[in-house]
Amino acid sequence: EAEVAQSPRYKITEKSQAVAFWCDPISGHATLYWYRQILGQGPELLVQFQDESVVDDSQLPKDRFSAERLKGVDSTLKIQPAELGDSAMYLCASSSGTGQGYTFGSGTRLTVV
Amino acid sequence: KQEVTQIPAALSVPEGENLVLNCSFTDSAIYNLQWFRQDPGKGLTSLLLIQSSQREQTSGRLNASLDKSSGRSTLYIAASQPGDSATYLCAVRGGSEKLVFGKGTKLTVNP
Repeated sequence: EAEVAQSPRYKITEKSQAVAFWCDPISGHATLYWYRQILGQGPELLVQFQDESVVDDSQLPKDRFSAERLKGVDSTLKIQPAELGDSAMYLCASSSGTGQGYTFGSGTRLTVV
Repeated sequence: KQEVTQIPAALSVPEGENLVLNCSFTDSAIYNLQWFRQDPGKGLTSLLLIQSSQREQTSGRLNASLDKSSGRSTLYIAASQPGDSATYLCAVRGGSEKLVFGKGTKLTVNP
């Protein structure tokens, strides 16, 4: 069964350092999403791509977060500088279109110390 | 703004019991609703996807219903097992294509 690949699985970084996460969606899925999940909460959307274009980044803290999907396939989410409050699970998902379900990756658990 | 609420926040049941998890949403203009399972420290596993035109979906011991007009969905788990212990998340997809999640119900099934 096709999967969404994410790496790394775990990341520990010091406050003020830069950190990056990678996601490879299911082949052919045009829509890619990055979600952040704080412990005990539901996931919240950070950014949504349609092919290589950003569709929604209204909840992305743009002073420190950036996301790209240059060729409309895999994607990178970057945080610089990391803050203690960024500790969370970062989830990537993809979908083939409206009316279809989402498939999530295993996530990257970030701990900022 | 779409809001999704899940009740109860936590549930503990003995093995073998049938149970119902509840999900409500404020905006009935949705494309579909999806139920996910999340094990501690893991990603989300899709359980059931219900399109807005459907009333229910079934997979094994799981049955999900959707009443779009009243903004409600339920996830029914039959004959619960300790392996069902996890957090169950409900999410709705609207016109913006993004999924809006509830906070989840943490289920514990005791042997």
